[in-house]
Amino acid sequence: NAGVTQTPKFRILKIGQSMTLQCTQDMNHNYMYWYRQDPGMGLKLIYYSVGAGITDKGEVPNGYNVSRSTTEDFPLRLELAAPSQTSVYFCASSHRGSGNTIYFGEGSWLTVV
Amino acid sequence: EDKVVQSPLSLVVHEGDTVTLNCSYEVTNFRSLLWYKQEKKAPTFLFMLTSSGIEKKSGRLSSILDKKELFSILNITATQTGDSAVYLCAAMDSNYQLIWGAGTKLIIKP
Repeated sequence: NAGVTQTPKFRILKIGQSMTLQCTQDMNHNYMYWYRQDPGMGLKLIYYSVGAGITDKGEVPNGYNVSRSTTEDFPLRLELAAPSQTSVYFCASSHRGSGNTIYFGEGSWLTVV
Repeated sequence: EDKVVQSPLSLVVHEGDTVTLNCSYEVTNFRSLLWYKQEKKAPTFLFMLTSSGIEKKSGRLSSILDKKELFSILNITATQTGDSAVYLCAAMDSNYQLIWGAGTKLIIKP
């Protein structure tokens, strides 16, 4: 009953460091997403993927990279971390269809100091 | 530019009160409107509305969509302290992309 699993849950980075947030889903969903949520704000789409081998930029892609080599995995890479990237990151997945809903991971709290 | 606006941004009521949360949208090629509840962690799904005028209900929560006036409301009756959360709405377009509102923070006082 795993659903969407993302790691790590918490991380502190120094300015200029790099890291990867891992995300995996076991529901065979073709759509996957990475969102960030700043305090008191809604969700902003960073990148999304409609299937293995296909990725597209969302609303706020700068400073991030993604890959989708398998249906299950959708890692988010932060290169040269900046304080503006301090946020909560949510990975999500959905199955395209008329009744689809989106399933979220539990979030990764990232602080850049 | 597509946008979703929620109001009020925050709301404080007493247990037992009824609340109405609003969500208006301007989305090209609109498909559906979704409501989520977010407590400390990830948003959890409440409703998806595709047709205008058809109320969806789940216990004390209900929601309806007006596609002519481009808005949706979420009603919570007989509120309880466990209803305290941020309520997010999102509009889905024809490409299954979600445009999110900023949320309404609801606080229920005992």
